[in-house]
Amino acid sequence: DVKVTQSSRYLVKRTGEKVFLECVQDMDHENMFWYRQDPGLGLRLIYFSYDVKMKEKGDIPEGYSVSREKKERFSLILESASTNQTSMYLCATIIGGGFSGNTIYFGEGSWLTVV
Amino acid sequence: DQQVKQNSPSLSVQEGRISILNCDYTNSMFDYFLWYKKYPAEGPTFLISISSIKDKNEDGRFTVFLNKSAKHLSLHIVPSQPGDSAVYFCAASRGDSSNTGKLIFGQGTTLQVKP
Repeated sequence: DVKVTQSSRYLVKRTGEKVFLECVQDMDHENMFWYRQDPGLGLRLIYFSYDVKMKEKGDIPEGYSVSREKKERFSLILESASTNQTSMYLCATIIGGGFSGNTIYFGEGSWLTVV
Repeated sequence: DQQVKQNSPSLSVQEGRISILNCDYTNSMFDYFLWYKKYPAEGPTFLISISSIKDKNEDGRFTVFLNKSAKHLSLHIVPSQPGDSAVYFCAASRGDSSNTGKLIFGQGTTLQVKP
């Protein structure tokens, strides 16, 4: 069975803290994504990676960075957390070379509250 | 600039009736469209998709219709069941990103199916 694991489901962090959100997949997929979900805004793409050590900015990369040192792991980093980064963060993965809807897999989400 | 729009934040229907969720898009380069269902505190799960070369795709109780000239798609759920109560996201993809799985999501519509 497909597995996309977001290690932290619920976090509360203080303004200015450095925050790491981890995503691990066990499907040997090339492409991995980080989205955030906010009410009334839907899911917005923060960053994505199509290979180890490769990354590309999505639609809202400001305030975030990412790391992909190993194929199975894609980390989202908030260098200095701010209250407007309070959100639900979703990791997704897909095998490279084309896709259909049922080949994109999402993790269960990480709820981050910045106080 | 919201390229994919779901203008109805919420919809309430009676069990057994039809649910119609709507989605509009602005980018004529989009050539693949998907619907995802999301329960609170869970990741989105794929429901159904449609390629721009089709105008209808059906899977059990779910049917997606695409009107390219109007840049509009809709999801029909017949008959609606209480377990269908969730947030529904419309998503679109451009042909030039078909190898990466990069999706543009709408804001979501919360469907409530009343027993």
